[in-house]
Amino acid sequence: QKEVEQNSGPLSVPEGAIASLNCTYSDRGSQSFFWYRQYSGKSPELIMSIYSNGDKEDGRFTAQLNKASQYVSLLIRDSQPSDSATYLCAVTESQGNLIFGKGTKLSVKP
Amino acid sequence: DGGITQSPKYLFRKEGQNVTLSCEQNLNHDAMYWYRQDPGQGLRLIYYSQIVNDFQKGDIAEGYSVSREKKESFPLTVTSAQKNPTAFYLCASSPSGTPSAAFFGQGTRLTVV
Repeated sequence: QKEVEQNSGPLSVPEGAIASLNCTYSDRGSQSFFWYRQYSGKSPELIMSIYSNGDKEDGRFTAQLNKASQYVSLLIRDSQPSDSATYLCAVTESQGNLIFGKGTKLSVKP
Repeated sequence: DGGITQSPKYLFRKEGQNVTLSCEQNLNHDAMYWYRQDPGQGLRLIYYSQIVNDFQKGDIAEGYSVSREKKESFPLTVTSAQKNPTAFYLCASSPSGTPSAAFFGQGTRLTVV
């Protein structure tokens, strides 16, 4: 069974700090990696995608991918209370379907 | 406005009843998906369809059925055979070809009463 693992949290950071969210995956054939943000009671919203090793920055968000270690992370700089949500890591398996982790709950304290 | 529309937002079902959840998209996406989310859990794939008139079972297809008669529509029926149907159901779509991100509708919360 192909798996995507995340620390369930909650991860609590003060406002203005850097939040670091981590994800590991089991399928070495995975080629596409995504981070979704999900507010309570709402549907997931795509915030980052990354396809090659290294870093990808978009505003306050940076996604990092290390395929050799089967590891992908999301950094949120200058965290805001509005960033408080559950962050889902998703990985495209070899057949093309998205496999989701259970999510990490982030709480940003004012 | 392009997007994915799920209806209804809330649905109540009596035990033993079949119910159908609607999912419509106008993004011209070929692939469509149904996921189920339980509290504190990730998304689990129920069914997916890469093309009209074709669909495949996901990890938890038992007790569910789907159809894909039109590119825009991918309804999900929760049958009475599904023993624990109370959950948050999410429909998603994505372009075909290369592995790409899925975009979600607003979800349907189904409760058995």
